Amino acid sequence: EDQVTQSPEALRLQEGESSSLNCSYTVSGLRGLFWYRQDPGKGPEFLFTLYSAGEEKEKERLKATLTKKESFLHITAPKPEDSATYLCAVQGGGSNYKLTFGKGTLLTVNP
Amino acid sequence: KAGVTQTPRYLIKTRGQQVTLSCSPISGHRSVSWYQQTPGQGLQFLFEYFSETQRNKGNFPGRFSGRQFSNSRSEMNVSTLELGDSALYLCASSLVPGGGSYEQYFGPGTRLTVT
Repeated sequence: EDQVTQSPEALRLQEGESSSLNCSYTVSGLRGLFWYRQDPGKGPEFLFTLYSAGEEKEKERLKATLTKKESFLHITAPKPEDSATYLCAVQGGGSNYKLTFGKGTLLTVNP
Repeated sequence: KAGVTQTPRYLIKTRGQQVTLSCSPISGHRSVSWYQQTPGQGLQFLFEYFSETQRNKGNFPGRFSGRQFSNSRSEMNVSTLELGDSALYLCASSLVPGGGSYEQYFGPGTRLTVT
């Protein structure tokens, strides 16, 4: 069964203080690894898809990387508006296209 | 392009009742998945529909069911509601997968409270 573990559960940063979020996974035949951002009371917002080890993607202050066992979401010089829960999910191989999610990391950026 | 829409946004029901939630996918998307989100369990997969057929199902009891219409709109139904069914129910749509991975785009969710 696919499994995703995210750490830390919560992270508090000062504005401008860079850090990384971790997503460890086990999956049978990785089809894709996804990062989402979720604000309180809203649905997850798609950020990135990574397909293979060594791949990197960037969007503004966010950069996602992938190895064979984990993914990192690096946040450079964060701003208060980056505060949200960041969710990692994997999609395994086979005919089931379901996403298996981690519990998320609650990021708070203080001004 | 309009995003995924879900109705209603909020719902309060009593134990034993049943409820129907609706989801309209992004135009052109033919696959719809449903997820349940709770503080303790996080996001859990309920089921996925494509071309009016349920393709995959998660580990939920038979009280949870769904369907998809010819215009790709989907509904999910929960019968005999229990207190533990209180959650945010999320719908996600995606393009037809031609092989490989595809992104799922989520709606705002329906907040169901069972009293």
